[in-house]
Amino acid sequence: EPEVTQTPSHQVTQMGQEVILRCVPISNHLYFYWYRQILGQKVEFLVSFYNNEISEKSEIFDDQFSVERPDGSNFTLKIRSTKLEDSAMYFCASGGVSSYYGYTFGSGTRLTVV
Amino acid sequence: GDSVTQMEGPVTLSEEAFLTINCTYTATGYPSLFWYVQYPGEGLQLLLKATKADDKGSNKGFEATYRKETTSFHLEKGSVQVSDSAVYFCALLSGGSNYKLTFGKGTLLTVNP
Repeated sequence: EPEVTQTPSHQVTQMGQEVILRCVPISNHLYFYWYRQILGQKVEFLVSFYNNEISEKSEIFDDQFSVERPDGSNFTLKIRSTKLEDSAMYFCASGGVSSYYGYTFGSGTRLTVV
Repeated sequence: GDSVTQMEGPVTLSEEAFLTINCTYTATGYPSLFWYVQYPGEGLQLLLKATKADDKGSNKGFEATYRKETTSFHLEKGSVQVSDSAVYFCALLSGGSNYKLTFGKGTLLTVNP
């Protein structure tokens, strides 16, 4: 079964550093998403991406966050200057034209900011 | 805006017990409804879904029925196993162009032998 692949599985970074979280969505999918889950809390929507642009973003997704689909296969989330409160599990997801029926999540990147 | 309220955990059951995890939602329009499961140390896996009123989603012995009149999508399983121990998330997906998922807070289920 097709998978969404995320790398790395765990990243530790110093506060103030930039991090890039990488995702390889399912190849024929059109919609791409980032969600995050702070430890023990609910999963929160960050951003959706369609047709090479952001289609919706949450209030969490401020100017320190950006997304890119640089080469038609990868989908990245960049955090420019990490804060302690950015420590969370970040999930990438992708969906096809029938995204109304749900989409596929990756296994996540655990980001720890120290 | 859209929201999902699910039963607070943790829930602890003995093997073969009956499970219900309640979920209610608030949404405009006609959302799709989902249950996702997160096993320890893993990502989110789709457990089951329903896309319209009175649809029943089912998978691995779990069931949930989309009840528009009560805006609910309760998860049930007749006989839980130790391997069902996980966090369960109820979620709704809004229509429109973005298909954004809104999750509940999650319910931790522990099944003891």
